Amino acid sequence: NAGVTQTPKFQVLKTGQSMTLQCAQDMNHEYMSWYRQDPGMGLRLIHYSVGAGITDQGEVPNGYNVSRSTTEDFPLRLLSAAPSQTSVYFCASSAGTGGYEQYFGPGTRLTVT
Amino acid sequence: GQQVMQIPQYQHVQEGEDFTTYCNSSTTLSNIQWYKQRPGGHPVFLIQLVKSGEVKKQKRLTFQFGEAKKNSSLHITATQTTDVGTYFCAAAGGTSYGKLTFGQGTILTVHP
Repeated sequence: NAGVTQTPKFQVLKTGQSMTLQCAQDMNHEYMSWYRQDPGMGLRLIHYSVGAGITDQGEVPNGYNVSRSTTEDFPLRLLSAAPSQTSVYFCASSAGTGGYEQYFGPGTRLTVT
Repeated sequence: GQQVMQIPQYQHVQEGEDFTTYCNSSTTLSNIQWYKQRPGGHPVFLIQLVKSGEVKKQKRLTFQFGEAKKNSSLHITATQTTDVGTYFCAAAGGTSYGKLTFGQGTILTVHP
């Protein structure tokens, strides 16, 4: 099993550009989530999904969209990139919410200039 | 929303010294998880605590869950250079509706 995969590993965007961060998992997990990690801020939840077709907002959803058309994939879309979105983005999956181990992908380091 | 405070933010130790990081919540937690993130890497699950007063050990690591289920600690005995990284607690409970809320993390540096 590959676990959780993310692409790309690195990305540089100009302000106003849009892009999609890809995330896929092969563990048949129902729960998937996106976090951003900034120095001193820990991991903050952007959006999450409890199953195909179901998504909801986390702590910092503004400027990001998600969809979940399959169990395996959970892409994160930046609609109009801003310098404040410079961060490291992690996708995670787990067998359920709250009391289940979360498996993290390797991360995408995004810089917005 | 639920907040989990983690202290200290940074800890520098000499190899062989002990290390402790603490997590505190104002609300009662359903469970708490601990993760380790090596420099440049991604968070990796270490353990989950569920019961009031629970203590679990993994070699040199000791994890505790408070009696009131509002705080937790991770203690490393005799640190090694391989312990370097950021340690996060992640809690579920209160108003989080099953979602995990991460603490800010403690960055551990071990000097040989």
